[in-house]
Amino acid sequence: RKEVEQDPGPFNVPEGATVAFNCTYSNSASQSFFWYRQDCRKEPKLLMSVYSSGNEDGRFTAQLNRASQYISLLIRDSKLSDSATYLCVVSDNYGQNFVFGPGTRLSVLP
Amino acid sequence: DGGITQSPKYLFRKEGQNVTLSCEQNLNHDAMYWYRQDPGQGLRLIYYSQIVNDFQKGDIAEGYSVSREKKESFPLTVTSAQKNPTAFYLCASSISSFSKNIQYFGAGTRLSVL
Repeated sequence: RKEVEQDPGPFNVPEGATVAFNCTYSNSASQSFFWYRQDCRKEPKLLMSVYSSGNEDGRFTAQLNRASQYISLLIRDSKLSDSATYLCVVSDNYGQNFVFGPGTRLSVLP
Repeated sequence: DGGITQSPKYLFRKEGQNVTLSCEQNLNHDAMYWYRQDPGQGLRLIYYSQIVNDFQKGDIAEGYSVSREKKESFPLTVTSAQKNPTAFYLCASSISSFSKNIQYFGAGTRLSVL
């Protein structure tokens, strides 16, 4: 079983749609959780950290379920500019071990 | 502007040749990392360094070497022992590896074999 797994994708959605990505992790000792965005042929950029209580940043909402070892990302009112690959990242509390999921590609269509 | 600079952006390697990828950061971050990304794949850790003059192997260190002589610099050498070096190489840094932290990435180097 891979340490971090994500929805295989790709997701093709129309502008304005709501889309949700799922991520599961196998290491129960994981303490830090992130969503990164990676545009084609570019470096990953932090989208948001994921906190135990869940957190929201504009159109983006992240949720964490430690019991199920599951993280989600919800994008509301999708924009064309949201088209990218979304990477789920899990780390231990010491930050020595960042594990990246394979990513889920999103294409928002006009 | 603070950030992480990787160079070159594109690099070509001949058979049997060692090549070095540069990574410099002016963020005053303690920890630095090298990842490899193959098409359609996630990032895999090659090496990481928590402090100057110290570094640890990641999941795929074979065929690679690093040094950390200065806090700002963490160059990666792809040796001739790495038989399949074609990939996108990403350098990252973070404030400290002993606390909750966030990784910031350079723009990457694309390495191809001639």
